[in-house]
Amino acid sequence: TQLLEQSPQFLSIQEGENLTVYCNSSSVFSSLQWYRQEPGEGPVLLVTVVTGGEVKKLKRLTFQFGDARKDSSLHITAAQPGDTGLYLCAGAEAGGTSYGKLTFGQGTILTVHP
Amino acid sequence: EPEVTQTPSHQVTQMGQEVILRCVPISNHLYFYWYRQILGQKVEFLVSFYNNEISEKSEIFDDQFSVERPDGSNFTLKIRSTKLEDSAMYFCASSERAKAVSGNTIYFGEGSWLTVV
Repeated sequence: TQLLEQSPQFLSIQEGENLTVYCNSSSVFSSLQWYRQEPGEGPVLLVTVVTGGEVKKLKRLTFQFGDARKDSSLHITAAQPGDTGLYLCAGAEAGGTSYGKLTFGQGTILTVHP
Repeated sequence: EPEVTQTPSHQVTQMGQEVILRCVPISNHLYFYWYRQILGQKVEFLVSFYNNEISEKSEIFDDQFSVERPDGSNFTLKIRSTKLEDSAMYFCASSERAKAVSGNTIYFGEGSWLTVV
């Protein structure tokens, strides 16, 4: 069974600060997805990283996939109150036949105070 | 923006009753999934479905669970005899392809909240 440990679980920061969320595993993943989930709604995909060492940017969000494809990070620059929400990482197991079988981390609840 | 739609949004059922959760995946998608999230816990994979058959399932997806694509648009999850521990948010998802290539996206529905009493 693959496990994804996501940290921190809670993050409370002031507007304008930078932050990083981490996802770590002892298992290798063929891809790593980052989602954002609002209360009472389903996860919404932010980005997929596939190649070891890959870095993707989405405005103020920077996503990185570890060289060994066992870990990933989400870095937010100059956080805004609109960034407040639950961030989830999810990995697709390497060698699996179904991309949709994702292992999720426990999530990071981010609160950005004005 | 294409979306996965789920009904009902919330259902309360008595223990032992059968429940059917319905999903309409995105129209050109071929791969369908059910996930669940027990309150305060991680999102967990239940089952994936392709070409009218289950392609993968987790240990959670026991004989009490079944999935079906009864027509060209709906994808259902049936729980035959609900237990208290089945109370959770159930998410349907779909994707166009199976392989994890950049640009392939798994779209999740907004979820069906099941409460078993």
